Amino acid sequence: GESVGLHLPTLSVQEGDNSIINCAYSNSASDYFIWYKQESGKGPQFIIDIRSNMDKRQGQRVTVLLNKTVKHLSLQIAATQPGDSAVYFCAENLAFQKLVFGTGTRLLVSP
Amino acid sequence: EAGVVQSPRYKIIEKKQPVAFWCNPISGHNTLYWYLQNLGQGPELLIRYENEEAVDDSQLPKDRFSAERLKGVDSTLKIQPAELGDSAVYLCASSPTSAQGEQFFGPGTRLTVL
Repeated sequence: GESVGLHLPTLSVQEGDNSIINCAYSNSASDYFIWYKQESGKGPQFIIDIRSNMDKRQGQRVTVLLNKTVKHLSLQIAATQPGDSAVYFCAENLAFQKLVFGTGTRLLVSP
Repeated sequence: EAGVVQSPRYKIIEKKQPVAFWCNPISGHNTLYWYLQNLGQGPELLIRYENEEAVDDSQLPKDRFSAERLKGVDSTLKIQPAELGDSAVYLCASSPTSAQGEQFFGPGTRLTVL
């Protein structure tokens, strides 16, 4: 079946570095994508979203890039901080708010 | 504003026992979701409610799982009987409508079946 996947299970960076988390999706009909951050013992927390009519969207220290040609999504975190350490999920929103999540990438930030 | 509330936060039971999870969504949110999250995996949708109506329960194992949202506000997810493989985190989420947009997640209930 169609699914959302992530390229790297764990990403280790130094504090202050920029982080890039990648995600591949396979459902060409998906038109809305969300990045969530999940800290240990907590539920997923919304970071940023993007619609398929856009290829880039920026938030505070985060940027999401969407490449529909190769069905690729990325999350860029600028000046990564220890508080950014968490598991990051991309999710594609199918019809009627059905979110399909990938398996997650763990981001480890060293001071 | 209070977020999505779930209880209990942790539950340990023996296999074949029943268990129930409770969720209170954000006030005014008409859409409520129950997700299952296995260790190291992303959440998987079990059921979605629009007010009191279950509009998507295609992924709910109906032989042992049931859910209700009688008054269109809080919701209960039940498993009877529980199996070892049901050990996971059960997440509840809500959103204002079914339109595309952010879903707000609760902290989840971690179930351990012995």
